[in-house]
Amino acid sequence: AQSVTQLGSHVSVSEGALVLLRCNYSSSVPPYLFWYVQYPNQGLQLLLKYTSAATLVKGINGFEAEFKKSETSFHLTKPSAHMSDAAEYFCAVSHSNYQLIWGAGTKLIIKP
Amino acid sequence: NAGVTQTPKFQVLKTGQSMTLQCAQDMNHNSMYWYRQDPGMGLRLIYYSASEGTTDKGEVPNGYNVSRLNKREFSLRLESAAPSQTSVYFCASTPGLKTGELFFGEGSRLTVL
Repeated sequence: AQSVTQLGSHVSVSEGALVLLRCNYSSSVPPYLFWYVQYPNQGLQLLLKYTSAATLVKGINGFEAEFKKSETSFHLTKPSAHMSDAAEYFCAVSHSNYQLIWGAGTKLIIKP
Repeated sequence: NAGVTQTPKFQVLKTGQSMTLQCAQDMNHNSMYWYRQDPGMGLRLIYYSASEGTTDKGEVPNGYNVSRLNKREFSLRLESAAPSQTSVYFCASTPGLKTGELFFGEGSRLTVL
């Protein structure tokens, strides 16, 4: 069965520091992988997705993620955190063309 | 650019009352979903509709029913609300996950007293 693990329910970084949000997955077939972001009191929106093309995927707002098959990881990074990045981030893997398996989410806190 | 529209945005119910959450999308998507979001538990799938005319149970279907009224609309009904159904509910749609992404509504916050 597929599963997604996000390490750390909360991650705190200083403004301007590197952001690293971890995601590991288990999948018996080559996966489609996604990162979504949820700002307070809003729905989720797609940040980026991996669909078996380039292993380094660039998304919106300066975020990127690297697919590492050997480590079954899809960690999200941003070189320099901004206050506006404060949100909850969800990693997900496609179960089929119709369903996603979701991680529990990581709240990113930005310290001034 | 309406996207996915959910109504109502807020609702307070008493235990045992019924209500329907409405969802409509204007992107001509085939698949639609209802999720609930609870603190520390991420998103849990209640029901989904892969295409018009079909519905399937997700991870937590008990206490809920759905109707795919047409390609645009997908409603979620609570027949007899319970305090455990206090949550934020999200509707989403996609043309298909292999080619597209999930588009979410802004959520409906439901409190059951």
